[in-house]
Amino acid sequence: AQSVTQPDIHITVSEGASLELRCNYSYGATPYLFWYVQSPGQGLQLLLKYFSGDTLVQGIKGFEAEFKRSQSSFNLRKPSVHWSDAAEYFCAVGVFTGNQFYFGTGTSLTVIP
Amino acid sequence: NAGVTQTPKFQVLKTGQSMTLQCAQDMNHEYMSWYRQDPGMGLRLIHYSVGAGITDQGEVPNGYNVSRSTTEDFPLRLLSAAPSQTSVYFCASSYATGPSYEQYFGPGTRLTVT
Repeated sequence: AQSVTQPDIHITVSEGASLELRCNYSYGATPYLFWYVQSPGQGLQLLLKYFSGDTLVQGIKGFEAEFKRSQSSFNLRKPSVHWSDAAEYFCAVGVFTGNQFYFGTGTSLTVIP
Repeated sequence: NAGVTQTPKFQVLKTGQSMTLQCAQDMNHEYMSWYRQDPGMGLRLIHYSVGAGITDQGEVPNGYNVSRSTTEDFPLRLLSAAPSQTSVYFCASSYATGPSYEQYFGPGTRLTVT
């Protein structure tokens, strides 16, 4: 069965510091992988996605993620965090059949000045 | 384009009442889905549709009904509301395949059942 694990429920970083949010997935085939961000009281916005090809993908707002098949991981990174990055981040696996998405439980990011 | 729209934004129901959450998209997407979001549980799929007239159950379908009579609309019906259905509900839509596979989300409906 498909599943997504985000092991960090909450992360606090200082503004200007680097960030890495972890995501591990379980899926029998090559996955479609996504990172979404949700600001308080808002819907979900796509940060980046991976289907195939280059395993390092660039997204919006300076985020990037790296697909590592051997580790079943798709970690999100940003070299220098801004206060406006404080939000909830969700990793998701897309299953083509039925177009179902499986989301992780999310990582809440706090940015301190 | 308005994208994915949901109404209402907020709703309070009493236990046993019924209601319909509305969802519409103007992107001509084939696929539409309903999720609920609960603290510490991420988003869980309730029902989805791969096209007009075709729906199927997701992970947590009990207590909810859906239908898809048009490409644009995908309403979610709560038959007899229960406190366990207090949640934030998101509707999403997407193309079927290829680079446009991402799901586009509506702004959500916050439902409280007392």
